[in-house]
Amino acid sequence: EIVMTQSPATLSVSPGERATLSCRASQSVSSNLAWYQQKPGQAPRLLIYGASTRATGIPARFSGSGSGTEFTLTISSLQSEDFAVYYCQQYNNWPPPWTFGQGTKVEIK
Amino acid sequence: EVQLVESGGGLVQPGGSLRLSCAASGFTFSSYAMHWVRQAPGKGLEYVSAISSNGGSTYYANSVKGRFTISRDNSKNTLYLQMGSLRAEDMAVYYCARGEGVMDVWGQGTTVTVSS
Repeated sequence: EIVMTQSPATLSVSPGERATLSCRASQSVSSNLAWYQQKPGQAPRLLIYGASTRATGIPARFSGSGSGTEFTLTISSLQSEDFAVYYCQQYNNWPPPWTFGQGTKVEIK
Repeated sequence: EVQLVESGGGLVQPGGSLRLSCAASGFTFSSYAMHWVRQAPGKGLEYVSAISSNGGSTYYANSVKGRFTISRDNSKNTLYLQMGSLRAEDMAVYYCARGEGVMDVWGQGTTVTVSS
């Protein structure tokens, strides 16, 4: 099973600042990496797939990069609605499991 | 509108059973693999089970293998998760999600509480 490790666990950022979240896979997942945002009491929402492609309706301030085992989600200028927990997930092959990282909480500094 | 709506959660005693349903609408259900993902209180996302678009292939996390069964009825646009021998550690919000890898549509979740 591929293990996904996110860092940091918590990121304290001021509104308007840049946030950089990291995700590492225990083995190569090529570009089969997605990022999700989850707010309290809500279901996860797809932000990025294919490591760098924004999902429909996702603002341009969200960007993803990386391939293989190292990935980054960048939020260029944090808005109040961006404070949430972010998960990475690999989906490299069928069959699953398509494992999730443990999450990074982005909180207001 | 593309939508997934879960139902069937509730309170169950340890060792009991429960069947979750996920009703799909707004898309061709039979064209997509479907998944169940759960989230224990205050914890992260855990991948639970998956089924291919035609139902011919299934996957289970080790934590639920032998106790849970995933199935689908493409004529009813509905996904199911039959859960048995429930344990305290199965208590969570259960989400269904659509996707061939990437989970691009999620339901709102249904809560399963395991307690005596």
